[in-house]
Amino acid sequence: QSALTQPRSVSGSPGQSVTISCTGTSSDVGGYNYVSWYQQHPGKAPKLMISDVTKRPSGVPDRFSGSKSGNTASLTISGLQAEDEADYYCCSFAGTYTYVIFGEGTKLTVL
Amino acid sequence: EVQLVQSGAEVKKPGESLKISCKGSGYSFTSYWIAWVRQMPGKGLEWMGIIYPGDSDIRYSPSFQGQVTISADKSISTAYLQWSSLKASDTAMYYCARRDRGITWHFDSWGQGTLVTVSS
Repeated sequence: QSALTQPRSVSGSPGQSVTISCTGTSSDVGGYNYVSWYQQHPGKAPKLMISDVTKRPSGVPDRFSGSKSGNTASLTISGLQAEDEADYYCCSFAGTYTYVIFGEGTKLTVL
Repeated sequence: EVQLVQSGAEVKKPGESLKISCKGSGYSFTSYWIAWVRQMPGKGLEWMGIIYPGDSDIRYSPSFQGQVTISADKSISTAYLQWSSLKASDTAMYYCARRDRGITWHFDSWGQGTLVTVSS
């Protein structure tokens, strides 16, 4: 199964908002509310930012929010800060054959 | 504090075998699934498979079934990823990650990664 579709890159100025989309199918993103988002800085391990489509783990700023509509999930980062510059990956449960599928990844540049 | 500590970087030749490890601490190791995730150089994350150390129940991604073996030793709170015959295309960073408890599929804690380089 192919990776979930994400834009290769997005950018925004400090203080602005950006949204990263994650498109799958009814067999993954659209079929389950098990979409999560991970932030990865260069040379570092991924970090969980959003779970179960909209839940924000303790310690994650409330500038990060998640949503889903049909087969597309979205991560919105408001009030962009320089430290938000990183790669972002979506992830979805995809049933009991494939189990888990990641998105292609999106590079966020803070201008 | 939950920690997943992975074994160090490896440099191997094609055809060699390898087993890398991921040691959990700060939580009940047998009560959480541990997944393995591959990241090839400059590429994205790929889910390889997952093990429940409590009973060694294992699920593989179809893409990695037969290519690697996942195991765990609950007596020392350690999960493993192994290859019987490495290929150059196995060169990648490998992460272990803990699946959160409950009816959910996200990974709330990650190891620091193990870089595997396969080159003749």
